[in-house]
Amino acid sequence: QVHLQQWGAQLLKPSETLSLTCVVNGESLNAFYWTWIRQTPVKGLEWIGEVDDRGSTKYSPSLKSRVTISVDTSKNLFSLNMTSVTAADTAVYYCARSTTLVGASGWGQGTLVTVSS
Amino acid sequence: DIQMTQSPSTLSASVGDRVTITCRASQRISFWLAWYQQKSGKAPKLLIYKASTLESGVPSRFSGSGSGTEFSLTIASLQPDDFATYFCQQYHDYPWTFGQGTKVEIK
Repeated sequence: QVHLQQWGAQLLKPSETLSLTCVVNGESLNAFYWTWIRQTPVKGLEWIGEVDDRGSTKYSPSLKSRVTISVDTSKNLFSLNMTSVTAADTAVYYCARSTTLVGASGWGQGTLVTVSS
Repeated sequence: DIQMTQSPSTLSASVGDRVTITCRASQRISFWLAWYQQKSGKAPKLLIYKASTLESGVPSRFSGSGSGTEFSLTIASLQPDDFATYFCQQYHDYPWTFGQGTKVEIK
């Protein structure tokens, strides 16, 4: 049974960089996409992007200029960096395991990231 | 981006009721649709994928149907554990997009 555990800074100031990490337990990174999704009360669930075990990435066009998703197969984890955050980036961020066959089948516990001056 | 529209936004029902939630895609997505259940303060949980395939461990009272642009999630007999918010998601095209959610509350 896959278990995703995520962590990262929860309070940021505008213009800072958001950094989150998700470690994958009970599953190899092979054959899956490792995804970041965020949720706000106003915009709902928003797909941010994904990475595979080779480091190949896809990003949401609306966030692509600020987002980097990377993978470290030696530590079985993947990470999200988002630059130049604003209050609009305040959200609960989730990491997830995905495939193109089933969608997101395993999720981390979520991290509330607040951007405030 | 493909827009996903769910209805209703809120649904009031009683234990034992049969409930149906609908999801409409702004363009054809074949059967590449998933349904998730989310309880307060928790991550979403996958219920159904490929429009009608039940994820392992999900009770059989949940079912999904549809293809193209019109989809539905049905709970055959609502149980106390089912009061939650439900989301549809298309994974036909990137970026993957979600419906705005349907909250199923106690009548």
